[in-house]
Amino acid sequence: DARVTQTPRHKVTEMGQEVTMRCQPILGHNTVFWYRQTMMQGLELLAYFRNRAPLDDSGMPKDRFSAEMPDATLATLKIQPSEPRDSAVYFCASGLRDRNDQPQHFGDGTRLSIL
Amino acid sequence: QQQVKQSPQSLIVQKGGISIINCAYENTAFDYFPWYQQFPGKGPALLIAIRPDVSEKKEGRFTISFNKSAKQFSLHIMDSQPGDSATYFCAASKETSGSRLTFGEGTQLTVNP
Repeated sequence: DARVTQTPRHKVTEMGQEVTMRCQPILGHNTVFWYRQTMMQGLELLAYFRNRAPLDDSGMPKDRFSAEMPDATLATLKIQPSEPRDSAVYFCASGLRDRNDQPQHFGDGTRLSIL
Repeated sequence: QQQVKQSPQSLIVQKGGISIINCAYENTAFDYFPWYQQFPGKGPALLIAIRPDVSEKKEGRFTISFNKSAKQFSLHIMDSQPGDSATYFCAASKETSGSRLTFGEGTQLTVNP
């Protein structure tokens, strides 16, 4: 069963440290999304890529966040330097842009705690 | 600007009852309306989705009702079961799944045995 794989599942680190989250999208999917989930803000889109090119990163604090797709099988989300307010669950999702109602598939997230 | 508003925030239903969650959207360009189900520690998973060219879609115990003129859609869970206890999110996008989703705030459903 195809699935989106995210690593690490949990990350605890101190304020100021660099954090890297990784995502392996479903093979053949051409669109990758990064979402952040918090109790206060719910699910919010940070950035997304199509065919590895960034389409929209307006939801991301650009001074500290960066998202890349080095190749079709890997997407990364980095935070440097991290702050306590970045504590959240970060989800990666992948999808296939077509007209056949193919759903976005979510990974199980990276639970990030910044102390 | 919150483009998709969801209610209620939480819902408690008895086993066998009907659970109803409502969403309203603002952007008339939206043309794809999925519902996602999320269990603790897991990512959201697509439950059912609808396009605005139909007013209702049913899959098993789950039904979406869509009112284009009112810009509202709702999820009905018939014969609710304790295993349905989860957080439900409505969402909307301008194209199919390959485009960005705007999510509602979520509804935490508890089905009591």
